[in-house]
Amino acid sequence: NAGVTQTPKFQVLKTGQSMTLQCAQDMNHNSMYWYRQDPGMGLRLIYYSASEGTTDKGEVPNGYNVSRLNKREFSLRLESAAPSQTSVYFCASSEAGTGNTIYFGEGSWLTVV
Amino acid sequence: AQSVTQLGSHVSVSEGALVLLRCNYSSSVPPYLFWYVQYPNQGLQLLLKYTSAATLVKGINGFEAEFKKSETSFHLTKPSAHMSDAAEYFCAVSRSGGYNKLIFGAGTRLAVHP
Repeated sequence: NAGVTQTPKFQVLKTGQSMTLQCAQDMNHNSMYWYRQDPGMGLRLIYYSASEGTTDKGEVPNGYNVSRLNKREFSLRLESAAPSQTSVYFCASSEAGTGNTIYFGEGSWLTVV
Repeated sequence: AQSVTQLGSHVSVSEGALVLLRCNYSSSVPPYLFWYVQYPNQGLQLLLKYTSAATLVKGINGFEAEFKKSETSFHLTKPSAHMSDAAEYFCAVSRSGGYNKLIFGAGTRLAVHP
């Protein structure tokens, strides 16, 4: 009963370091997403992948890259971490098409010092 | 462009009292509307959603919301609050057609006191 699984759950980075957040879903969903959550700002979409082989920018893509490795996996990479990227990151997935429920992972807490 | 405004970043109610969390949206096309709940240190869980069927939508844990097009609102209610309802609640909108992208409001933290 895993749903959306993301790793790591906690990470502390130094400014300038790189890292990759991993995400996998076992619901056979076509669409996957990465959101970031900051206090008082709700969740903001970083990147999404409507289907395997496609990725598109969301509201706040600067400083991030993504890879849709296969239908199950969607990773988020920070090439050169900055303190402004301190946040909670959520991976999510859904069936393709609007109106479908988006299912979220448990979150990854990232601190950049 | 779509947007969501949640009125009140913090709401406090007594156990057993009515819960009312306000959400107004802006959308140039018929919207789909969602309420999600987030318990501490967890991901988001769907409470309910409106997808152009019945305007009064019932969700889990006794919550419901009414879509009012004339008021561009989708307020969340529960007749009687329980201590376990303490959490953060997010209203979100997506547009009909196109990709399934959610635009979230800033969230409302609900506190329930004895």
